[in-house]
Amino acid sequence: AQSVTQLGSHVSVSEGALVLLRCNYSSSVPPYLFWYVQYPNQGLQLLLKYTTGATLVKGINGFEAEFKKSETSFHLTKPSAHMSDAAEYFCAVTISGNTPLVFGKGTRLSVIA
Amino acid sequence: GAVVSQHPSRVICKSGTSVKIECRSLDFQATTMFWYRQFPKQSLMLMATSNEGSKATYEQGVEKDKFLINHASLTLSTLTVTSAHPEDSSFYICSARPGGAGTGELFFGEGSRLTVL
Repeated sequence: AQSVTQLGSHVSVSEGALVLLRCNYSSSVPPYLFWYVQYPNQGLQLLLKYTTGATLVKGINGFEAEFKKSETSFHLTKPSAHMSDAAEYFCAVTISGNTPLVFGKGTRLSVIA
Repeated sequence: GAVVSQHPSRVICKSGTSVKIECRSLDFQATTMFWYRQFPKQSLMLMATSNEGSKATYEQGVEKDKFLINHASLTLSTLTVTSAHPEDSSFYICSARPGGAGTGELFFGEGSRLTVL
């Protein structure tokens, strides 16, 4: 079975600073990896995904993530945080197009002015 | 991207009553939909996989008689919380994947916050 570990339930950064949200996964087969963002009382919006090919993937709102198989990681980064980035971020994994996503526990990002 | 609509967004009900939540894929057909439950400040827990035209597959620990799932068409799945109790209060989110999509990406509804008094 797959699993996801997100290190740090809460990350706080200053506006304009680098954002780094950590995600490590466990999967016995090549995974599909995702980052979603959730604003209060809303559903989830896809930020980016990795399936195959280029290991550095770019998403919306200036976010990107790099798949590192050797480290079983898929960390999310953004060079410069904006106040509007404050939200809950979830890393998720699946193993095919037919299986459900397994989510990490989420990381709440706070951006300080 | 694909759009999934969920209704109602908020519902308050009395203990012992039943509540139905609808999940619609607006611009694609979904043979499979997934229902998740989210407790405050926690992650999403998969409740069940809803399959069009057949019975839902429930995760371990989820009571199928309490959480009735019906997937009557390729664009609609419903979750009915029967005889609701305060401990059923939660945020319920549905998701769907366009048929044939091999990338595994799920599109999520806006979520439904259920409060049982």
